[in-house]
Amino acid sequence: GQQLNQSPQSMFIQEGEDVSMNCTSSSIFNTWLWYKQEPGEGPVLLIALYKAGELTSNGRLTAQFGITRKDSFLNISASIPSDVGIYFCAPGSGNTGKLIFGQGTTLQVKP
Amino acid sequence: DGGITQSPKYLFRKEGQNVTLSCEQNLNHDAMYWYRQDPGQGLRLIYYSQIVNDFQKGDIAEGYSVSREKKESFPLTVTSAQKNPTAFYLCASSITGTREKLFFGSGTQLSVL
Repeated sequence: GQQLNQSPQSMFIQEGEDVSMNCTSSSIFNTWLWYKQEPGEGPVLLIALYKAGELTSNGRLTAQFGITRKDSFLNISASIPSDVGIYFCAPGSGNTGKLIFGQGTTLQVKP
Repeated sequence: DGGITQSPKYLFRKEGQNVTLSCEQNLNHDAMYWYRQDPGQGLRLIYYSQIVNDFQKGDIAEGYSVSREKKESFPLTVTSAQKNPTAFYLCASSITGTREKLFFGSGTQLSVL
């Protein structure tokens, strides 16, 4: 079956630091999405990537669709306390909405 | 405001009991989904529906059932056959053409008494 590894599993950083996380897979995908989930809530879409090599920003967030189509990266610059949450990568293929979700990266930010 | 409403927020199930989780959306989305989330794990797809009166099994459908009689509603029943039902359940919807862009409800936490 498809293997999806998201790392790191958790991060505890100081406010103002930059954050990097990534997802790697044994399979090729057409889409990579990144979602953020705050405690007790549903995930919210942050960034969607549709082409290999694509680099897309959303404010302080930047994500890239790996050239091999088997990986993706998410960077957060100058972290702030409201960045706290669980970040999920979610690659997909086709247009069925059947995404595979990574295990998540839990981010904690110390003011 | 448009959105997805899940209810209740917390639900308790007794042994041998079926329980139904509600999911309603007023976004006019045609596709709806149910995911299960366990601590430290990603979301796993239970069932999805791309059109009224039609639905497909996801990766972990055993012990669950759904119906899609109206575009706005996609209730999930956790049956007594689901031996480990304690989890956070998330409903989502999406529009045609951008089905990867899921809009999620705020979830229902189901626990076993």
